[in-house]
Amino acid sequence: AQTVTQSQPEMSVQEAETVTLSCTYDTSENNYYLFWYKQPPSRQMILVIRQEAYKQQNATENRFSVNFQKAAKSFSLKISDSQLGDTAMYFCAFMNPNEKLTFGTGTRLTIIP
Amino acid sequence: DGGITQSPKYLFRKEGQNVTLSCEQNLNHDAMYWYRQDPGQGLRLIYYSQIVNDFQKGDIAEGYSVSREKKESFPLTVTSAQKNPTAFYLCASRGDREGIQNVNTEAFFGQGTRLTVV
Repeated sequence: AQTVTQSQPEMSVQEAETVTLSCTYDTSENNYYLFWYKQPPSRQMILVIRQEAYKQQNATENRFSVNFQKAAKSFSLKISDSQLGDTAMYFCAFMNPNEKLTFGTGTRLTIIP
Repeated sequence: DGGITQSPKYLFRKEGQNVTLSCEQNLNHDAMYWYRQDPGQGLRLIYYSQIVNDFQKGDIAEGYSVSREKKESFPLTVTSAQKNPTAFYLCASRGDREGIQNVNTEAFFGQGTRLTVV
């Protein structure tokens, strides 16, 4: 069974600082996909960044980047120059080759002005 | 506009009644998903479907049923066997990027349905 673990239920950081959200997963698959989603108070799920397991290079999207450690089954999200609009729930997700998409329990991130 | 639509946004039902949540997409996606979201528990997978006329149980399928008779529709029925049906339900769809085989894309989510059973 595939599982996704987010060990930080809540985090807060000052505006403009950098914050890293942790995610680990458990799988016996070699090929899979990893995602970070953001859920603001509106509850609309928004994709932040994605990573294919076969790619060694870490994905980046503007202020968002990941640290993908395949051997350690770790997939952390780094947010640089944090902004007030980054305040949201953040979910890590894992998709296996059979398209089963599993989410973690989330991290509530608050950016402090 | 292409998208995924869940209706209604809020739904109230009496205990013991079955209720069906609607999920429709016009993105031509093959895969569709249903999740339940409770405070502190993230998104838990109820059912998913990779293709029309086929679906698989997720991690918390007990008390729920689905059908996938059309590509664009994936309704979820919450039955009276579901012990704690009050929750926020999210539907999602995803498909390969057009014209590029074997390039999996992210899931697109609906706005959700808040079900309250009294």
